[in-house]
Order: sequence, then C-alpha cells, then structure tokens
Amino acid sequence: GENVEQHPSTLSVQEGDSAVIKCTYSDSASNYFPWYKQELGKRPQLIIDIRSNVGEKKDQRIAVTLNKTAKHFSLHITETQPEDSAVYFCAASFGSNYQLIWGAGTKLIIKP
Amino acid sequence: SQTIHQWPATLVQPVGSPLSLECTVEGTSNPNLYWYRQAAGRGLQLLFYSVGIGQISSEVPQNLSASRPQDRQFILSSKKLLLSDSGFYLCACSVDPSPLHFGNGTRLTVT
Repeated sequence: GENVEQHPSTLSVQEGDSAVIKCTYSDSASNYFPWYKQELGKRPQLIIDIRSNVGEKKDQRIAVTLNKTAKHFSLHITETQPEDSAVYFCAASFGSNYQLIWGAGTKLIIKP
Repeated sequence: SQTIHQWPATLVQPVGSPLSLECTVEGTSNPNLYWYRQAAGRGLQLLFYSVGIGQISSEVPQNLSASRPQDRQFILSSKKLLLSDSGFYLCACSVDPSPLHFGNGTRLTVT
C-alpha cells in the first residue's frame, strides 16, 4: 500500500544552523504534501504545505522542496531557534485529507 | 477559519469502563471530521473519518466506535476500555481542499 518514509527520526543541530528533514512517498499519484509541527504535549499544527504543481515554497525561515521524479520532499529550516525544537511530521495525499499518509515523525533538537 | 472544541483535556479511566469523547466544530459547515490517536512518543494513527452526518469510515479495527449525530459534532466511544487504548486523541477537521487542522486533544490514561 501507500507509504511515507521520514528521515531522520531524530535530528540535533546547533542553534543558528540549518535543519533538513526528508520524506519519500510511494504513490506517484500523490499531489499534496503538508508538514506539521508538534510541540511537546500539544496538537500538531500545519507549518507549510505544497502541491505537486509547485517545486518549492517558502515562508520566512521555512521552505519545502518537492522532487516528483524521485518522489521525495524535504523541509528546510534555516537559522534555527530554540522554539523550533519539536516533532515534525510529513504527509502525502493523492486526494482528500482523509487519504493522508503520514511519516513517522522527526524529533528536532536545537542545541544552544 | 474553523475552531475545534475538544473535551476533556485529560481523562483517567479504569480498564473496562466506557468512554465518550466529544468534538464540535465552529466556523464552517459540512466539514470532514477525523479522530486520530497518538501513542506516547509515536506517530499519528487515523481511527475514523466522516464526510457527513451518519457517515463513518473506520480505518483500524478495534473496540472503539465513532458517531456523527450532527454536522459539526463528532463523538468517539468505547463500551469497555483496554489498557492499549491509552493515548492522545485528536479530533481534526478539514474542508477540502483546505488543510487539516487539529483540536487540542484529549490525553487518555487507562489504568
């Protein structure tokens, strides 16, 4: 069946450095790729999403890139700050939100 | 934009007791509604989703059930809780093609 693999499971970076989280998906029909951030004990919150007709999208320090040929998409966070520490989930869908396939999550640790 | 109300925030229940978690949505009509569960330190597992009143799709066979008695109300139930039912239960809402948004969740501990 459809699958989304997310790497790494844990990422530790120095404050101010960049962080990159990568997801690969199996269903070539997938056309929607959101990223969610979940702080400890809180709900996941959408931070950025991209559709398959776009190769890259940026929002301040956050960017997502999509490579449809290779079937992978990545989250890039620049100039990391302590408040970026959280678990990040990627997902992929070929249709509606109830068809979202989720990655297992990446715990991002920002070292001071 | 929609607001998702979910309660209670935390719940401690003994094994074998019933469960009822309620979720209501404001600010939109005819939303798609979802129940997710997240075990401690784990990922997001879709339990149920609903595209309309009385329409429920189950993603994982288990001792839980869901109902949607009104357009903006989604209820998660169990007749007898198991220890393995412990987790963080999240109600979510979407109006396609807009993104999925989560409620604040209920942390359930079954003892």
